[in-house]
Amino acid sequence: GENVEQHPSTLSVQEGDSAVIKCTYSDSASNYFPWYKQELGKRPQLIIDIRSNVGEKKDQRIAVTLNKTAKHFSLHITETQPEDSAVYFCAASKGGADGLTFGKGTHLIIQP
Amino acid sequence: GAGVSQSPRYKVAKRGQDVALRCDPISGHVSLFWYQQALGQGPEFLTYFQNEAQLDKSGLPSDRFFAERPEGSVSTLKIQRTQQEDSAVYLCASSQLTGGTVNTEAFFGQGTRLTVV
Repeated sequence: GENVEQHPSTLSVQEGDSAVIKCTYSDSASNYFPWYKQELGKRPQLIIDIRSNVGEKKDQRIAVTLNKTAKHFSLHITETQPEDSAVYFCAASKGGADGLTFGKGTHLIIQP
Repeated sequence: GAGVSQSPRYKVAKRGQDVALRCDPISGHVSLFWYQQALGQGPEFLTYFQNEAQLDKSGLPSDRFFAERPEGSVSTLKIQRTQQEDSAVYLCASSQLTGGTVNTEAFFGQGTRLTVV
């Protein structure tokens, strides 16, 4: 089955700096890669996703890049703000009925 | 409702007790997933429903776990003879199904935190 590795497990950055979280996946058939943000005690919420037919997608301060050959994808957050502090999960799926396989999460801490 | 609703939010069960966790998906969403999230970990897939059909239950950890969605809307995850290792947050997610291999956004409920004592 699919295996998703996520690094780092904890990331501390100064407010206003950029943050980058990286994930790798093992199943070349995976074609959908969402990123979820989960605040303490709350539900995971989708912040951005990318499909395998594109290499990059951007939404304001958030961007995701995908390298299908190397089987890795990354989340980039620019101009970080205190409200960006949360746990971020990457995930991969082959689509349709296939469930999401999640990474173990990155605890992002924004230092004021 | 506007989102995925789960109940109860918290459940404390004595070891050996049976529990039932409920999920109300977004109206009209064909796909429904259950996930188990241990403390400090990412969610792990348990089972998938397309309408009332359980198409994948490969993630259920043992035969003590059972899920159903008899009318294709509300789903119940049942755990029999609970054990301490069952303690986790159980998340439900629903999404539209577009067919083929295309994914659409999965919307998560707030989860049920199960503690087995």
